Amino acid sequence: QVQLQESGPGLVKPSETLSLTCTVSGGSVSSGSYHWSWIRQPPGKGLEWIGYIYDSGSTNYNPSLKSRVTMSLDTSKNQFSLKLTSVIAADTAVYYCATYNFRGNDAFDIWGQGTMVTVSS
Amino acid sequence: DIQMTQSPSSVSASVGDTVTITCRASQGISSWLAWYQQKPGKAPKLLISAASSLQSGVPSRFSGSGSGTHFNLTIRSMQSEDFATYHCLQSIVFPPSFGGGTKVEVK
Repeated sequence: QVQLQESGPGLVKPSETLSLTCTVSGGSVSSGSYHWSWIRQPPGKGLEWIGYIYDSGSTNYNPSLKSRVTMSLDTSKNQFSLKLTSVIAADTAVYYCATYNFRGNDAFDIWGQGTMVTVSS
Repeated sequence: DIQMTQSPSSVSASVGDTVTITCRASQGISSWLAWYQQKPGKAPKLLISAASSLQSGVPSRFSGSGSGTHFNLTIRSMQSEDFATYHCLQSIVFPPSFGGGTKVEVK
């Protein structure tokens, strides 16, 4: 069973770059079984999809964030990563990595525990 | 983009009650709708996919219905562990989008 674990700084200064990593266990980021995803949730608010990265390394981002988002795969470490540039206070959120199961239930079916990122000076 | 509107935003219930939550899509999404349960400080948990397909291990008191633009999640005979926030998700139209959430609270 695939498991996901987010890691990265919990505090980022405004205008700087947020960088998070998701470590995958119990499966391979190269397997082609999932779309590897990032989703975020501001405090007290709903969920927002950030983007997918595929086993090929190609990506698809939410148009609302596209200009600031980069996702990448590290197959040697079985990880995928998120970078969000020029952060502002509104980027404060719990960030989740998740799998989108396009071969099965067409939903985000496995989630990491989430990591809180605060944007503040 | 497709807007997903959940109602109500919150509901109060007692153990044993039946609760129904609605999710409306701004355009037709066939049956490409999923429901999630989220407890405080935890990641969302997938309950139902394809509008009505219960995930393995999810109690049968949860059920989903609907297609097109109007969907329901029904929880029959609420249990104490069911008090949580519920989210809907559409993933057929890019970008995937979630509803705003419905908090089910103790009456």
